[in-house]
Amino acid sequence: AQTVTQSQPEMSVQEAETVTLSCTYDTSESDYYLFWYKQPPSRQMILVIRQEAYKQQNATENRFSVNFQKAAKSFSLKISDSQLGDAAMYFCAYRSGAGNMLTFGGGTRLMVKP
Amino acid sequence: GAGVSQSPSNKVTEKGKDVELRCDPISGHTALYWYRQSLGQGLEFLIYFQGNSAPDKSGLPSDRFSAERTGGSVSTLTIQRTQQEDSAVYLCASSLGGFRHSGNTIYFGEGSWLTVV
Repeated sequence: AQTVTQSQPEMSVQEAETVTLSCTYDTSESDYYLFWYKQPPSRQMILVIRQEAYKQQNATENRFSVNFQKAAKSFSLKISDSQLGDAAMYFCAYRSGAGNMLTFGGGTRLMVKP
Repeated sequence: GAGVSQSPSNKVTEKGKDVELRCDPISGHTALYWYRQSLGQGLEFLIYFQGNSAPDKSGLPSDRFSAERTGGSVSTLTIQRTQQEDSAVYLCASSLGGFRHSGNTIYFGEGSWLTVV
């Protein structure tokens, strides 16, 4: 079974600075997808960024980018120029290429200081 | 609809009562998922529907939990004889496809917050 681990329960960043959230996963598969979701107080899970395991290039979406290290099974999220609206729970998630569901990490609460 | 819609947003029920939670997925999405998020914890998979196929019920925690999906669209998650440990946010999600479209993004609703007193 796949597992996803987020080792940082809480992180704090100063507004306008950069923060990196860590995620590691365990799998024996070669075909899979990785995701970062943001969950603000409204509870709705919002997709931030996704990465296909077969792609070597790291995904980027505006201020959000990932550092995907396939051999190390690491998938960290970098948020640049942090904004107050970035404050939320962030979940790393794994989906098998042959699977139906997402497996989530335990989440990291990000606080942004003005 | 524009997004995944869930109702009720919040539900308080007495221990031992049955509850029904509703999910209306994004129009055209054939895959539908239910997840449970307990306080301070991550998301736990409950059940998955894909088209007319038999659902994947492997995540349901007990036989008090069941779910239906009528007409390939709206889904209802039913919890019978609720217990205090059932208190959680129940999140519904949908995507364009399942097994052969596993790269498709899964979109979540805002969840139903269930409190059992």
